[in-house]
Amino acid sequence: EADIYQTPRYLVIGTGKKITLECSQTMGHDKMYWYQQDPGMELHLIHYSYGVNSTEKGDLSSESTVSRIRTEHFPLTLESARPSHTSQYLCASSPRQGVHNEQFFGPGTRLTVL
Amino acid sequence: EDKVVQSPLSLVVHEGDTVTLNCSYEVTNFRSLLWYKQEKKAPTFLFMLTSSGIEKKSGRLSSILDKKELSSILNITATQTGDSAIYLCAVEGGGSNYKLTFGKGTLLTVNP
Repeated sequence: EADIYQTPRYLVIGTGKKITLECSQTMGHDKMYWYQQDPGMELHLIHYSYGVNSTEKGDLSSESTVSRIRTEHFPLTLESARPSHTSQYLCASSPRQGVHNEQFFGPGTRLTVL
Repeated sequence: EDKVVQSPLSLVVHEGDTVTLNCSYEVTNFRSLLWYKQEKKAPTFLFMLTSSGIEKKSGRLSSILDKKELSSILNITATQTGDSAIYLCAVEGGGSNYKLTFGKGTLLTVNP
């Protein structure tokens, strides 16, 4: 079973607040990802990282930023939250070794911005 | 742009029925196709299908990849209420640098 954790699991905040969504994995995986998922919609990749000090923007434009200072930790930050940021945010990781890309997901953070 | 389409979007069956979920894709330099099960929390990995492994089976679940038709099916036999979930299909393309493109998923509801 994958060991990938996200906190908080649920967050309700007001517009304009700065928030950081935490993601940690204990599997030593090099690759980590952040997805955004609205109800009934696809997972959309917003950020990814291939290792420490490596971060890239994903396919879906996002006002969030990420950092990767340690292998196990990949936090996502919103400097000024807006109601349009209300969504579920899923973190995932996969090992660098191997040709293919089986990703393990965390439990998600459901964010509501009022 | 890589694209994954799943059908049906939702399905309601009775316990014991057999279901077939469909996934079709358009991707540059196909590498692999993955199936996930998503209940209330995170997607959990079910199968990975590649050019060298086009059929997988685990218990009541099985999946086949048709590279000619650019599609895959996920079969669930003797369904149980615990199979109720969203089933996600994702594809990794050669030009995507380890990124996955996901479909919208099929919401399966199994009634007792």
